[in-house]
Amino acid sequence: DAKTTQPPSMDCAEGRAANLPCNHSTISGNEYVYWYRQIHSQGPQYIIHGLKNNETNEMASLIITEDRKSSTLILPHATLRDTAVYYCIVRGTGGFKTIFGAGTRLFVKA
Amino acid sequence: SQTIHQWPATLVQPVGSPLSLECTVEGTSNPNLYWYRQAAGRGLQLLFYSVGIGQISSEVPQNLSASRPQDRQFILSSKKLLLSDSGFYLCAWTPGATTEAFFGQGTRLTVV
Repeated sequence: DAKTTQPPSMDCAEGRAANLPCNHSTISGNEYVYWYRQIHSQGPQYIIHGLKNNETNEMASLIITEDRKSSTLILPHATLRDTAVYYCIVRGTGGFKTIFGAGTRLFVKA
Repeated sequence: SQTIHQWPATLVQPVGSPLSLECTVEGTSNPNLYWYRQAAGRGLQLLFYSVGIGQISSEVPQNLSASRPQDRQFILSSKKLLLSDSGFYLCAWTPGATTEAFFGQGTRLTVV
């Protein structure tokens, strides 16, 4: 599975959009980009995933660049409850191992 | 719907004591099962994964072992705990054909 690079931490004002970047320059053609988040002392929670098209669900939007070497998770209206560590991972459909890096610690401030 | 159960939520054990953490999945069959460990402020480290009963793959040499005695049961064990085994242990599962992972609520283990 490809490795990802994320900034260690970010701040966001409550009510504003939070844009979390992720680099995955070694991603291969059959690997998806997945985003999870982990609130303190809980198990990670799935947010969204995509292959090459932009995706949106009730939680977030995922923007993947045309060359697929990077992506951005967008929380359109961040709330205090969105404060968490956000993990970007890439994984192929045939892979059984999901590698989580250190993620980005997002602080949403009032 | 599928659910994953992991227990206990917290555990304090003395050095040298044995360990057994259990994880069960409901509402699905033949899941892929995983054990992760997370040190304070760090990412998740994959310890073991299993694609079927009795099939265990180890990612990191360590003081721990895993077993899968039943299709939806995954057990993490140690014969003698070390201080360095302290951490937050997470069980997860994925359906065989897709890659979205579902996590349990974790066990916080403190070895004293």
